[in-house]
Amino acid sequence: GAVVSQHPSWVICKSGTSVKIECRSLDFQATTMFWYRQFPKQSLMLMATSNEGSKATYEQGVEKDKFLINHASLTLSTLTVTSAHPEDSSFYICSARPPDRVYEQYFGPGTRLTVT
Amino acid sequence: GENVEQHPSTLSVQEGDSAVIKCTYSDSASNYFPWYKQELGKRPQLIIDIRSNVGEKKDQRIAVTLNKTAKHFSLHITETQPEDSAVYFCAASGPSNTGNQFYFGTGTSLTVIP
Repeated sequence: GAVVSQHPSWVICKSGTSVKIECRSLDFQATTMFWYRQFPKQSLMLMATSNEGSKATYEQGVEKDKFLINHASLTLSTLTVTSAHPEDSSFYICSARPPDRVYEQYFGPGTRLTVT
Repeated sequence: GENVEQHPSTLSVQEGDSAVIKCTYSDSASNYFPWYKQELGKRPQLIIDIRSNVGEKKDQRIAVTLNKTAKHFSLHITETQPEDSAVYFCAASGPSNTGNQFYFGTGTSLTVIP
């Protein structure tokens, strides 16, 4: 149980275009989902917290207009990187929390984004 | 916000030896401390966690200790094996109106030499 998927697993896009990453909880409903960014050989940096039916809460320094997050259902959250630039190239990982688990997070497999 | 520091950044041990990774946190309200193992290009996997009402927790070869007063916690791996080689991250989490976020340490790359 507690499986989280992400799609796509990797994507290459041209500079200036937008790309959408999906995060799905497959066997549970997730009232809260989280988005992280991980640069090579670095830590997971929390970008935003996404609660179903409400606006995402962004961490300090994360541009909300550039990284659009939509948590439209209890099993799906999306991250859209708008007007992507090469410096946005990174590994993006989501996690999801079941409503009865106050602390636990279940991580997706990640999406490797390369902006050329 | 919470600030988590982790040491060392790299660690090499001989197979069978013990490995210790240490983390400190800044927010005294943090009350949950998970440890994750991440292999290259893969998702983090929870290996052990501890809550603030407990000082130590053990699961086979892995143990975690917590010192709330000093705001630090440590991961101990005994009888290390080559398959323990990976990057390990600590994290701290506390009460939040928006979701008990995790704040991760900078990671420790562990290499177990056969």
